[in-house]
Amino acid sequence: GAVVSQHPSWVICKSGTSVKIECRSLDFQATTMFWYRQFPKQSLMLMATSNEGSKATYEQGVEKDKFLINHASLTLSTLTVTSAHPEDSSFYICSARGDSGQETQYFGPGTRLLVL
Amino acid sequence: GQNIDQPTEMTATEGAIVQINCTYQTSGFNGLFWYQQHAGEAPTFLSYNVLDGLEEKGRFSSFLSRSKGYSYLLLKELQMKDSASYLCAAMDSNYQLIWGAGTKLIIKP
Repeated sequence: GAVVSQHPSWVICKSGTSVKIECRSLDFQATTMFWYRQFPKQSLMLMATSNEGSKATYEQGVEKDKFLINHASLTLSTLTVTSAHPEDSSFYICSARGDSGQETQYFGPGTRLLVL
Repeated sequence: GQNIDQPTEMTATEGAIVQINCTYQTSGFNGLFWYQQHAGEAPTFLSYNVLDGLEEKGRFSSFLSRSKGYSYLLLKELQMKDSASYLCAAMDSNYQLIWGAGTKLIIKP
């Protein structure tokens, strides 16, 4: 159990375009989903926390207008990188957590974004 | 402030035992997690401790002392595939995970 999927696994796009990444909890209802970014050889950096049906909470320094997060259902959250630039190239990882009493976060496989 | 400390890198020999330590300071505490992350992949869940003591799960064990703000991950009978980064994360009173920078474990034959 506790499987989280992400799609796509790889994205290559031109500078200025927008990219949408989907995160799905396949066998449980994720009341909370998290979006992380990880640059090579660096630690995970939490970008935002989203609860189903409400606005995401962004970490300091993360532009909410650039990284749009939607958590419309208990099994799906999306991250849209708007007007992507080369410096946005990174490994984006989502994680999901179920109802209270299930504190463990389970991670998706990640999405590698390369902006040319 | 909230802080997690763990060694940056450790080296061990195949077949041996290694202990990766983690100390934490958080606003409130709702448990301590260990994750494994292989290079180029997302983290995978290893263990969760919320009560003091040792939790054993196969070759991996995790220990917690809440009074000392201390945890360790013990890996026995090391295999080459155990070469990875090991992430320690403490959950604060808001159920947010505070992440350590990870310990890169290098296994030598």
